[in-house]
Amino acid sequence: AQSVTQPDIHITVSEGASLELRCNYSYGATPYLFWYVQSPGQGLQLLLKYFSGDTLVQGIKGFEAEFKRSQSSFNLRKPSVHWSDAAEYFCAVGATAGNNRKLIWGLGTSLAVNP
Amino acid sequence: EAQVTQNPRYLITVTGKKLTVTCSQNMNHEYMSWYRQDPGLGLRQIYYSMNVEVTDKGDVPEGYKVSRKEKRNFPLILESPSPNQTSLYFCASSGTAGYGYTFGSGTRLTVV
Repeated sequence: AQSVTQPDIHITVSEGASLELRCNYSYGATPYLFWYVQSPGQGLQLLLKYFSGDTLVQGIKGFEAEFKRSQSSFNLRKPSVHWSDAAEYFCAVGATAGNNRKLIWGLGTSLAVNP
Repeated sequence: EAQVTQNPRYLITVTGKKLTVTCSQNMNHEYMSWYRQDPGLGLRQIYYSMNVEVTDKGDVPEGYKVSRKEKRNFPLILESPSPNQTSLYFCASSGTAGYGYTFGSGTRLTVV
């Protein structure tokens, strides 16, 4: 069955430190992969996506992610975290079922940033 | 500005009182979808639409209805809300490439 696992429920980092959020997926075909961010009381904003090609994907707000097929992973990274990055981060895989193009989501990683 | 607009942002209602959450997008997107977000369960798809007059069930459609009479609008209808429909709801739209959905700001619904 298709699934997405985000092993870390909660992560705390210091401002200026590097960040890596983990995402593992289970999907039979070549996956379409996404990272979204949800700030408190806000909607979901697309950070970056991977469809094909270069396995290192650049996104908005200085984030990047690397697709590793051998590890079924799509980890999100940022070299230097800012206090405004505190939010909930969701990894998702695009799944096709007939005409349905839906996203299957991980349960999210909550990021706290210490000053 | 390209966006998906949901209304209302917050809603408290009583069991059984019909309600509609509106969703509108200005990107001429074909695909639209509704999700609900619940603690411990994550985001789950309720209904989707691939174009005008084409809608179908997602993973958790029970108790919900949708319609797609115009390309830009995709309202979510709860004919007889129950407390287990208390949740955070998101509308999303995507172009023909699919998947890269733009989400609305969410509607927090409480059914008492």
